[in-house]
Amino acid sequence: EPEVTQTPSHQVTQMGQEVILRCVPISNHLYFYWYRQILGQKVEFLVSFYNNEISEKSEIFDDQFSVERPDGSNFTLKIRSTKLEDSAMYFCASSGEGHGTDTQYFGPGTRLTVL
Amino acid sequence: GESVGLHLPTLSVQEGDNSIINCAYSNSASDYFIWYKQESGKGPQFIIDIRSNMDKRQGQRVTVLLNKTVKHLSLQIAATQPGDSAVYFCAEGGGGADGLTFGKGTHLIIQP
Repeated sequence: EPEVTQTPSHQVTQMGQEVILRCVPISNHLYFYWYRQILGQKVEFLVSFYNNEISEKSEIFDDQFSVERPDGSNFTLKIRSTKLEDSAMYFCASSGEGHGTDTQYFGPGTRLTVL
Repeated sequence: GESVGLHLPTLSVQEGDNSIINCAYSNSASDYFIWYKQESGKGPQFIIDIRSNMDKRQGQRVTVLLNKTVKHLSLQIAATQPGDSAVYFCAEGGGGADGLTFGKGTHLIIQP
């Protein structure tokens, strides 16, 4: 069964450093998403991406964040200068296109720890 | 602002009993609702979804009910098993590129 994969599973970084989180969405999907989940809290939407551009973003997704689809398989989230409050689980998701294919399938997540 | 939320943070049920997890939403324009299961250290796992033009949808051992009049969503799990222990989130979205709005989650605990 196809699934979303994410690397690394755990990333530790120093405050102020740049991090890149990587995702490989399900191969025939067209919509891609990033979410985050601070420990013990609900999942929060960050950004959606379609047709090589951002479709929607939340208030959390400020200028420190960027997304990219550098090739036909990878989808990345970059945080330019990490802050302590960026520590969270980051989930990538993908979905198909059209009625009946809106289900977003999530990857296992990357745990980001900012020291 | 608009929100999706859950009534109870923890639900404890006996193994073999049926479980009912509730969710309230406030956006009357919501079109698409989803239930996810999240086990410790893992990503949200899709369980079942329902669109606003439906009242009920059944899957394997799970049923989702949607009451648009009172903006209420519920997930019923039949014959609860130990493997059902997890946090359950309802989420709301519009499909396509719309981001999902998640509720706070209910921790389902299965008593032996």
